[in-house]
Amino acid sequence: ETGVTQTPRHLVMGMTNKKSLKCEQHLGHNAMYWYKQSAKKPLELMFVYNFKEQTENNSVPSRFSPECPNSSHLFLHLHTLQPEDSALYLCASSQGDTSGAYEQYFGPGTRLTVT
Amino acid sequence: GQNIDQPTEMTATEGAIVQINCTYQTSGFNGLFWYQQHAGEAPTFLSYNVLDGLEEKGRFSSFLSRSKGYSYLLLKELQMKDSASYLCAVRDRGTGFQKLVFGTGTRLLVSP
Repeated sequence: ETGVTQTPRHLVMGMTNKKSLKCEQHLGHNAMYWYKQSAKKPLELMFVYNFKEQTENNSVPSRFSPECPNSSHLFLHLHTLQPEDSALYLCASSQGDTSGAYEQYFGPGTRLTVT
Repeated sequence: GQNIDQPTEMTATEGAIVQINCTYQTSGFNGLFWYQQHAGEAPTFLSYNVLDGLEEKGRFSSFLSRSKGYSYLLLKELQMKDSASYLCAVRDRGTGFQKLVFGTGTRLLVSP
């Protein structure tokens, strides 16, 4: 248990559906992240939020829409996805300071399948 | 851009020592991380190197040479539970403090 929880753990959705992924961290961190992990590919950063403000959008298609209502919660809203979007979506959190190691703590991920 | 290379897969025997290498190319190096990821689970932090040298933490050690763009993770007294993927990730000043670029990971299989 890393202090970062994600729901749901598994999700199957059609290309016309709208769904949301939820992440919650109980570590008192100020920064939260969304990553995509596909088979045989590196972990790929999607979005970064620092003190609820989005500071990084790594050229992610607009069918993925993040929301960070406070420093403890992060959502990823999904709509009109493509089959190639099927992957493990990982949430992470860390301290938001600009010094030090401040490693990222990951949640268990949501395994998404787009049919 | 950044380029991170790790071997795809390694095998070792219980009780042995294994070294997992990672080479990287980046213009503004600002730290290297190692993570362990068991199948179907979250990556967990193992080590952080920002200066040259060896960092030891129990059975695991990590080494960094900034001039060579090279790091390794050393696992001693291997146990079956060490079978997992090991991810190398680099932070670059130019791309922001919080942006980590990950390698594809090295899958380690430990056999009895």
